[in-house]
Amino acid sequence: QKEVEQDPGPLSVPEGAIVSLNCTYSNSAFQYFMWYRQYSRKGPELLMYTYSSGNKEDGRFTAQVDKSSKYISLFIRDSQPSDSATYLCASNSGGYQKVTFGTGTKLQVIP
Amino acid sequence: DAGVTQSPTHLIKTRGQHVTLRCSPISGHKSVSWYQQVLGQGPQFIFQYYEKEERGRGNFPDRFSARQFPNYSSELNVNALLLGDSALYLCASGTGVYEQYFGPGTRLTVT
Repeated sequence: QKEVEQDPGPLSVPEGAIVSLNCTYSNSAFQYFMWYRQYSRKGPELLMYTYSSGNKEDGRFTAQVDKSSKYISLFIRDSQPSDSATYLCASNSGGYQKVTFGTGTKLQVIP
Repeated sequence: DAGVTQSPTHLIKTRGQHVTLRCSPISGHKSVSWYQQVLGQGPQFIFQYYEKEERGRGNFPDRFSARQFPNYSSELNVNALLLGDSALYLCASGTGVYEQYFGPGTRLTVT
């Protein structure tokens, strides 16, 4: 079993839709949770990170972590064609422990 | 402010050869991490260095090695290349483990 599981998609939505991207994890020691966006043939770009459970909002993006169910979510409001990319969730237990990534979900926002 | 830079951009090597990949972190960042990303998968952690010391190592064979220089730039070395080493190699720098900023990557093809 992978430590971080993510549905690879692809996920297609119309422009303006609310997008929900989800991951589950199995390592109870994970404390930090990150979301990255990766455009084709580019390096991942850090979108948001959260510590422990709770919500964090940044513009059109909201990250949620529920440690009781080991569930990580990213919501994108008013999705735009420029949001079309692969979204990677990642976690680690803090300190200098390795960061473990999910496989990524490919999102396409259709104009 | 310049982001993380990596060189070369692309590289083609033959099985059994050796390769050196280079990374320059964002100015002021003392942490550098290396990841391998195979097509369709999330990045896999290889190494992390902080202040020139190895702070973390992923599940990669001893053919993979790295070092960090006094100016915080880093090299990743891979010996005895295998076909399975073909991937995008990503370098990330940061001030902590979770807040990492990735470079564009070096695409390595082993034939």
